[in-house]
Amino acid sequence: EIVMTQSPATLSVSPGERATLSCRASQSVSSNLAWYQQKPGQAPRLLIYDASTRATGIPARFSGSGSGTEFTLTISSLQSEDFAVYYCQQFNDWPITFGQGTRLEIK
Amino acid sequence: QVQLVQSGAEVRKPGSSVKVSCKVSGGTFRNFGISWLRQAPGQGLEWMGGILPLFGTTNFAQNFQDRLTITADEFTSTAYMEMRSLTSDDTAVYYCAKGVHPAAARPPLDVWGQGTMVAVSS
Repeated sequence: EIVMTQSPATLSVSPGERATLSCRASQSVSSNLAWYQQKPGQAPRLLIYDASTRATGIPARFSGSGSGTEFTLTISSLQSEDFAVYYCQQFNDWPITFGQGTRLEIK
Repeated sequence: QVQLVQSGAEVRKPGSSVKVSCKVSGGTFRNFGISWLRQAPGQGLEWMGGILPLFGTTNFAQNFQDRLTITADEFTSTAYMEMRSLTSDDTAVYYCAKGVHPAAARPPLDVWGQGTMVAVSS
């Protein structure tokens, strides 16, 4: 199965600053990658799919890039509601696999 | 808009089975894949398997292939996940989620159920 590795495990950033989260696949997943945000006690929310397409209703401050094995989620100017756990997911091959998550916390 | 509503929390003994439902409203049930995922306490997300009601096709993660059944009832627009031979390691929140693309069994997943807590304890 394809192993997804996210870095860093925890990222401390101040509100208003930029956050950059990374995700690496153990083999190419083309552009078949999604990013999800999860807050405590809530279901995940789809942010980005096909590596760079924002899901419906997602603010423009969220952007995704990359292809193959290296991907990045960028949040351009952090708002208070953005502090959460972020997961990448590949859907290029079965089984579908997730990264272990990056916790974005307030600095 | 599309909503997924799951059945309520369950408590089971080791070795037993559990069946969780996921009712879909506000959309065309048969056209979109439904995935089942779980999240153990304090842990990450794990995809278990999925179904495309349009064709009745299923896919499973190898870890679950032998004890997981996923079905879909088009008449009630409800998907089901049944897992057998439960152990304490199966204690988790179980989610259903709908695929973005019509007629595709795989993610991405844009609408999620609220989650169903399944606790396995003797």
